[in-house]
Parts: sequence; C-alpha cells; structure tokens
Amino acid sequence: GESVGLHLPTLSVQEGDNSIINCAYSNSASDYFIWYKQESGKGPQFIIDIRSNMDKRQGQRVTVLLNKTVKHLSLQIAATQPGDSAVYFCAENMRGNTPLVFGKGTRLSVIA
Amino acid sequence: GAGVSQSPSNKVTEKGKDVELRCDPISGHTALYWYRQSLGQGLEFLIYFQGNSAPDKSGLPSDRFSAERTGGSVSTLTIQRTQQEDSAVYLCASSLEGTGIVEQFFGPGTRLTVL
Repeated sequence: GESVGLHLPTLSVQEGDNSIINCAYSNSASDYFIWYKQESGKGPQFIIDIRSNMDKRQGQRVTVLLNKTVKHLSLQIAATQPGDSAVYFCAENMRGNTPLVFGKGTRLSVIA
Repeated sequence: GAGVSQSPSNKVTEKGKDVELRCDPISGHTALYWYRQSLGQGLEFLIYFQGNSAPDKSGLPSDRFSAERTGGSVSTLTIQRTQQEDSAVYLCASSLEGTGIVEQFFGPGTRLTVL
C-alpha cells in the first residue's frame, strides 16, 4: 500500500539494535498518552499507553517514558525487528471519551 | 470478534461530486470518532459521536462535511462538492463508553482521491 506520510522524520536502525522514538506533546493538562504503530495501508494500532501519574511503563519489548516537565514522550523498542518498520505516532487526550490529539509521526525503518 | 470496518477502502471521485464514507464500529462501542490523515501529516480529529449524538463537531473543516450515526452503530461521513484538498485517508475509531482511560480502536481507513 501507499505510505501514509512521505515527509515524516525517519529513523533508520539496524536489526537487533534498540530504537528510541521521541515526541513532544502539546497539552500539559492531558491525562493519557498513547503510542500507535501504523503500517502502510492500515489504520493505527495501539502499542502502549501511559497515564499522566506515571513516568515509565514497560510492555513486551517496548517502554514508554513520560517527562511532564518538558512535555516529552518517548518510545523505546528493544531488539528492533524488520516487522517493527512502520510509522509511529504519539497521541494524547483527557480521560473519558475525548478525541485524541496526534503528533506528526516518525517513520521507523529497520535495516536487516 | 470483528474490528472496526470501513468502506469503501478506496474512493476516487471528481471535483464537485459528493461522497459518502461508511464506518462500522466494534459491536457494543458507544463512542465513534472520525479522523483525517493527509499525506505527510498526522491524524486530524473531525467529529465524535456518543451514541447517535455528536457532542464535538469542532474538527469538521467546512460546512461541506457532515456526519451522522444511526442506531448507535454505523456512521456515515459525507463530503459534498468535494475539492482536491479533501484528498486524504479518512479513519474511523470506536471505543467503549467510560470516564477513565478509554482505548480507541481504528479501522483501516478509506483513501479518498479527488481528481
């Protein structure tokens, strides 16, 4: 399928290395932060989330770090695999059923 | 169970024509969202439904855009008199109702191309 963004920042990493994708969010009142992965031709897929009362959360091969002082969010992927190649978006929102506010996205390219 | 589905997957239309995009949310999800993703951009919020009502239409870019939801399920996004700048991927998401942290599940999107 076509790429979802031709002019996105790109991060190229060697297979097996760790990846770090960064995001600056906009609203200091946001309660909830999420990382989504979007493969070509597909909708965004949930990876991991973190609440505003936490500064770190770990999943399987992924870790999200939240620094509320500088409104910065990062996604760390351990032992990056070719299947991790995609566009990664951070998103923020308030609690409850409210719209997500998305960042611009970063394209991760894994070199085998 | 089935995820969020959208149809058509691709739509090519001529400038000035009207288009309808359909979203089938996950069964039981009361909240439904429409987003737009333009080339090289992130996702832009358009409209949100809680049941059949739309408490937040703030993202609709112009009065050519409208959406409705019937039976608390299927939603249709209509774009009248399409313009070339309407070309984008239109994504739908749904979630359970809640006041805490509520995950949104996305469909595959409809790619709209206005010639």
